[in-house]
Amino acid sequence: SQQGEEDPQALSIQEGENATMNCSYKTSINNLQWYRQNSGRGLVHLILIRSNEREKHSGRLRVTLDTSKKSSSLLITASRAADTASYFCAMGGGTSYGKLTFGQGTILTVHP
Amino acid sequence: GAVVSQHPSRVICKSGTSVKIECRSLDFQATTMFWYRQFPKQSLMLMATSNEGSKATYEQGVEKDKFLINHASLTLSTLTVTSAHPEDSSFYICSAPRGNSYEQYFGPGTRLTVT
Repeated sequence: SQQGEEDPQALSIQEGENATMNCSYKTSINNLQWYRQNSGRGLVHLILIRSNEREKHSGRLRVTLDTSKKSSSLLITASRAADTASYFCAMGGGTSYGKLTFGQGTILTVHP
Repeated sequence: GAVVSQHPSRVICKSGTSVKIECRSLDFQATTMFWYRQFPKQSLMLMATSNEGSKATYEQGVEKDKFLINHASLTLSTLTVTSAHPEDSSFYICSAPRGNSYEQYFGPGTRLTVT
């Protein structure tokens, strides 16, 4: 499966600041999801946006999707030290239901 | 929320031996499960799709005879790494969708070290 690309690869910010991560992909999608992974752990689902949606909010998270540019962004507002983790976008759909193709990930460090 | 477990969480084995990793959906049935591997500081790479009651579907470049997958029940899929070598050392993670949801529930992962 072809991976998506994420930028930046690493992001270091202070508590209270906003963090923005970007994801680009190459194939058509049915949905795009964002996951969080703490070091050495499994992934936790954060938010899903369908291909016919442009923006979605969940708490301090805001996700946008631009299918014409094949890109998505994840914004975390008012970041906390506990937000420190790796964040992955994952593209779903196409011909295989449930199958996900992951981006390369962004390592976010939030300094207290 | 839906929970997926994996066992063992860590395993160290000698080169040439086989290792079995279990993935269980604890509070839902999963006709499909997915197996990924992740190298340090890298992303997840899909290895195969585990289908209950039928053969697994492997991604290009993944040796099906080396990574045996068995999905014997609606709540259990196993991945057996046969004749393990040091290059098989990795973090193996399984996931399962609940019902018709696109969202995946991930297990906590298994750290395999082959010496």
